[in-house]
Amino acid sequence: KAGVTQTPRYLIKTRGQQVTLSCSPISGHRSVSWYQQTPGQGLQFLFEYFSETQRNKGNFPGRFSGRQFSNSRSEMNVSTLELGDSALYLCASSFLAGGPYEQYFGPGTRLTVT
Amino acid sequence: AQSVAQPEDQVNVAEGNPLTVKCTYSVSGNPYLFWYVQYPNRGLQFLLKYITGDNLVKGSYGFEAEFNKSQTSFHLKKPSALVSDSALYFCALYYGNNRLAFGKGNQVVVIP
Repeated sequence: KAGVTQTPRYLIKTRGQQVTLSCSPISGHRSVSWYQQTPGQGLQFLFEYFSETQRNKGNFPGRFSGRQFSNSRSEMNVSTLELGDSALYLCASSFLAGGPYEQYFGPGTRLTVT
Repeated sequence: AQSVAQPEDQVNVAEGNPLTVKCTYSVSGNPYLFWYVQYPNRGLQFLLKYITGDNLVKGSYGFEAEFNKSQTSFHLKKPSALVSDSALYFCALYYGNNRLAFGKGNQVVVIP
C-alpha cells in the first residue's frame, strides 16, 4: 500500500498570502489528522477529520481551517499568513477512529513564510 | 489536562551500548502511550504503543518500552544501539478522537 502523501513538499509564501496544503491518506483510512511542528512549540495538534466531519480542533486561530472530501483526502488552509506560521505541517491517517490506533504520518509540507 | 514530558534534549550513546529514552506522562484516566521516530526530512514512524496488559511492549526495529504506572513513565529502550538509530524520538499520549499530545522530542546520537 502506498503511504500517506502530502503535496507540495516545500512551499515559500509571503506574509499576508494564503496557502492550501493537501494530504492523501492510506487507501481505506477514513481519519485524517493534521499537526504543526516547529522548533519552539514542537508538535501541536491542529484538527482531525473523520468521514468528512471535523471532530476536533486544536488551539489555533480561525485562520487555520481544513476539510475532508468523500475520498478521505484532506486539505488544510491557512489564510493571512504570518511569519510564525513557518513550520512543518504533518498529516496522519488512521483506519479506525475513536480509539488509540496507530496513526501513519506523511513526510510533511515545509512551509516558509517570508 | 494531559501532558507528556521528555526531560532530556539529547541522548548520546556509543554504538552497541544500551539506549534509553525517557518519557513521563500526566493524564486522568487510563494512559494510552506511543513512541514515534522521525528521521531528517521525513514524517513520523510508529515504533510501538501501550494500551493495556503487559508492561513491557515490544515494537519495531528491536525497540521496546517499559510502562510503569507508579512512576507514570514509559521509557523507550533498545539493548544494543546502531548508528542508524540516530534520529528524533517522540513520546505521545492519546487523548481521544485520534488526537496525540507529543513530548518535545529527544535527539538520539549514536556514536560509532
